[in-house]
Amino acid sequence: DTGVSQDPRHKITKRGQNVTFRCDPISEHNRLYWYRQTLGQGPEFLTYFQNEAQLEKSRLLSDRFSAERPKGSFSTLEIQRTEQGDSAMYLCASSPARGEAFFGQGTRLTVV
Amino acid sequence: QQQVKQSPQSLIVQKGGISIINCAYENTAFDYFPWYQQFPGKGPALLIAIRPDVSEKKEGRFTISFNKSAKQFSLHIMDSQPGDSATYFCAASAGRGADGLTFGKGTHLIIQP
Repeated sequence: DTGVSQDPRHKITKRGQNVTFRCDPISEHNRLYWYRQTLGQGPEFLTYFQNEAQLEKSRLLSDRFSAERPKGSFSTLEIQRTEQGDSAMYLCASSPARGEAFFGQGTRLTVV
Repeated sequence: QQQVKQSPQSLIVQKGGISIINCAYENTAFDYFPWYQQFPGKGPALLIAIRPDVSEKKEGRFTISFNKSAKQFSLHIMDSQPGDSATYFCAASAGRGADGLTFGKGTHLIIQP
């Protein structure tokens, strides 16, 4: 499968715990994006990388959120001290420079 | 502030009919307008996209119509099929291709056999 891959697909965690998600983009894409989608809403932009550089962060990305793309390949999104409001689908997408974005299947996070 | 307004919220169309979903935007700097299709439990899949230098783009049964002066664009699905039943999202970005897309709230489309 040469599409965007996300792991895990589902994550249930207790409030206050830390969680980390992984995204493997399409191999030739240098741009990688994280979005969050809540039920009945469109995806909301969180942050994006060009190669290993994090170029933009949304105001939605609180201090509890951190994203990395250490070698310009895969990326991780960590949420510390999770809250119930963090429950959502976390989507990763990748694109070539100024090209079209392709999304992964997402990681569904449930905070209980 | 919702920068991309999408309507209707839900839509029921008979098989073989034309499905029409509309979006309006406020930011005149937007210059890239994609449409995504999403099935339950899956990520959004790019359907078709347009830039404002053309007023219409067609790919198979899917057509985007773009009206720059009205700041509106729409998706037309011709000969709608039950397999087209999904949620459709319009989106827009400014000067950056797919960077920082702003999405509409989505349209839940049901095609009745």
